[in-house]
Amino acid sequence: EAGVAQSPRYKIIEKRQSVAFWCNPISGHATLYWYQQILGQGPKLLIQFQNNGVVDDSQLPKDRFSAERLKGVDSTLKIQPAKLEDSAVYLCASSFGQAGTEAFFGQGTRLTVV
Amino acid sequence: AQSVTQLGSHVSVSEGALVLLRCNYSSSVPPYLFWYVQYPNQGLQLLLKYTSAATLVKGINGFEAEFKKSETSFHLTKPSAHMSDAAEYFCAVSESGANSKLTFGKGITLSVRP
Repeated sequence: EAGVAQSPRYKIIEKRQSVAFWCNPISGHATLYWYQQILGQGPKLLIQFQNNGVVDDSQLPKDRFSAERLKGVDSTLKIQPAKLEDSAVYLCASSFGQAGTEAFFGQGTRLTVV
Repeated sequence: AQSVTQLGSHVSVSEGALVLLRCNYSSSVPPYLFWYVQYPNQGLQLLLKYTSAATLVKGINGFEAEFKKSETSFHLTKPSAHMSDAAEYFCAVSESGANSKLTFGKGITLSVRP
């Protein structure tokens, strides 16, 4: 069974540039999450989709971050413009969505902003 | 609001010794609780989860955890540590209800000494 696919694995950009990350969830998973994991911290939820609708984006910095999940499958997370403090690992996860079901994680994209 | 607390950031044990990683939760409703493991440059992998069935939960790689409502705890244990257990461990909580999002603790790094 294919897992959650993310690309790229690594990205280095200068501050004020833009960047985009892509995620392909496990087939049949209705719920998709984007988490931000800063070094030494636990993952923090940025946005949660149920099919192609947003369930929770309360911690998404909407002045610079955006995400979409067209057609309820793949998703893209964008940062524009990037700040130094955006350096982190961005993890995509998916699940069937019912309470108590586990989330399956991709390997993440490590972003370095210089 | 739901949250988890993982006291300490680093635990070091000798190979063959008992592993104990602590997690306390806060939730206004009966929670679902999870332990995930993260190896370097990898995504998160589920070790085990509690979903209101048996209070003693067995997971992969010989790990288990016990849900104690009176202590609001869900500590992770393994009787005998192996070198391959060295990784970062995250406790997470999800509330019952429609929103299945996971809220993570800050994680604990486990080192295993030969």
